[in-house]
Amino acid sequence: EVQLVESGGGLVQPGGSLRLSCAASGLTFSRYWMSWVRQAPGKGLEWVANIKEDGSEKYYVDSVKGRFTISRDNAKNSLYLQMNSLRVEDTAVYYCARSGSWYVYWGQGTLVTVSS
Amino acid sequence: DIQMTQSPSSLSASVGDRVTITCRASQSISNYLNWYQQKPGKAPKLLIYGASNLQSGVPSRFSGSGSGTDFTLTISSLQPEDFATYYCQQSYSTPHTFGQGTKVEIK
Repeated sequence: EVQLVESGGGLVQPGGSLRLSCAASGLTFSRYWMSWVRQAPGKGLEWVANIKEDGSEKYYVDSVKGRFTISRDNAKNSLYLQMNSLRVEDTAVYYCARSGSWYVYWGQGTLVTVSS
Repeated sequence: DIQMTQSPSSLSASVGDRVTITCRASQSISNYLNWYQQKPGKAPKLLIYGASNLQSGVPSRFSGSGSGTDFTLTISSLQPEDFATYYCQQSYSTPHTFGQGTKVEIK
């Protein structure tokens, strides 16, 4: 059974940093693109970033470019999202997902709240 | 970036109704279109991939069609468990943008 488990969310002040993790099991992690998708409270889904199987390609939505960094450790079956210079509008549930052309497996999400 | 526009934003329907949700892309995306169902407090669930392919385990009352810029998700006979929010997503190019969602409510 494929499992994706996010962690690292919490309350942070504007301008602060947070690092999210996603632990994967039940799949050959190194064979798949992985993505982060977020959902602000009461709002729709927003694609945030993705990373190629070997980490050689990374893409971001414009609103997080220069502030967020996606990375992975295939030896640890883990995906990460380093979030710096956080803004109130980054408040959301962050999901990791096994991606590619469609997103079959999703984690349960971790809540990030940016507030003073 | 490719913009995805869903319509309607919400709809009210009864059990047994046929429901159609449309999704339009701002440029051609071939058949790189996916549909997801999301219930409150839960992660999205993949229903349809590649515009018309039913994900394993998804009931056959769900179907998808379209190519290029115009796509449709149809629920042939709405069931109580289908009341949820539905999102389209393009995976033709990054960012893999989502539509704004369609909330299906009980009439």
